[in-house]
Amino acid sequence: EVQMVESGGGLVPPGKSLRLACTTSGFAFDEFAMHWVRQAPGKGLEWVSGIDWSNAGRGYADSVRGRFIISRDNARKSIYLQMDNLRPEDTALYFCARDVGRTLGYPESWGQGIRVTVSS
Amino acid sequence: IQLTQSPSSLSASVGDSVVITCQTSQDISYFLSWYQQKPGKAPKLLIHDASILESGVTSRFSGGGSGTDFTLTISSLQPEDIATYYCHQYDNFPFTFGPGTKVEIK
Repeated sequence: EVQMVESGGGLVPPGKSLRLACTTSGFAFDEFAMHWVRQAPGKGLEWVSGIDWSNAGRGYADSVRGRFIISRDNARKSIYLQMDNLRPEDTALYFCARDVGRTLGYPESWGQGIRVTVSS
Repeated sequence: IQLTQSPSSLSASVGDSVVITCQTSQDISYFLSWYQQKPGKAPKLLIHDASILESGVTSRFSGGGSGTDFTLTISSLQPEDIATYYCHQYDNFPFTFGPGTKVEIK
């Protein structure tokens, strides 16, 4: 069974950093691109970032470019989202999702999400 | 690329046919997917490449369109279809989602 489990969320003051992790199982991790998608409370989905199978191709939403960095560790079957200079508007449920293929396309399978709250 | 969906919400009777539209600000060919999200749950992929139904998804869902105009049709609406539906473009970075369409039963 394909599984993604997010961790690392929590409450953090504005301007601080947080690192999210997504640990996967049930599939050949190094053959799939991965995504982070977030959802602010009561709001819609926002694509945050994605990384291809080889670590070479990455993309970011305009709202996080320059502050967030996505990475992956194929040996650990995990992806990460380093979030720096956090803002209150980054408060959201962050989903990790597996793509359908090696290069970045559409998310196919999703984790249950991890909550991040940015507040003083 | 900006995505607009209409309507933002709708209320229909069980058995009705429902159409949700998604318009993109530039031509994305067929690089569009549709997701269903129920309250408190992760999104579920319904359709990719504009019209290809995911395995295991009921054939009451269908997708169409290309370029800048797309549709999601739910034929014979059922109570379990109550959810918010999002379109998503994956043609160009940054990828983007539409604002969502909330579907309710009348």
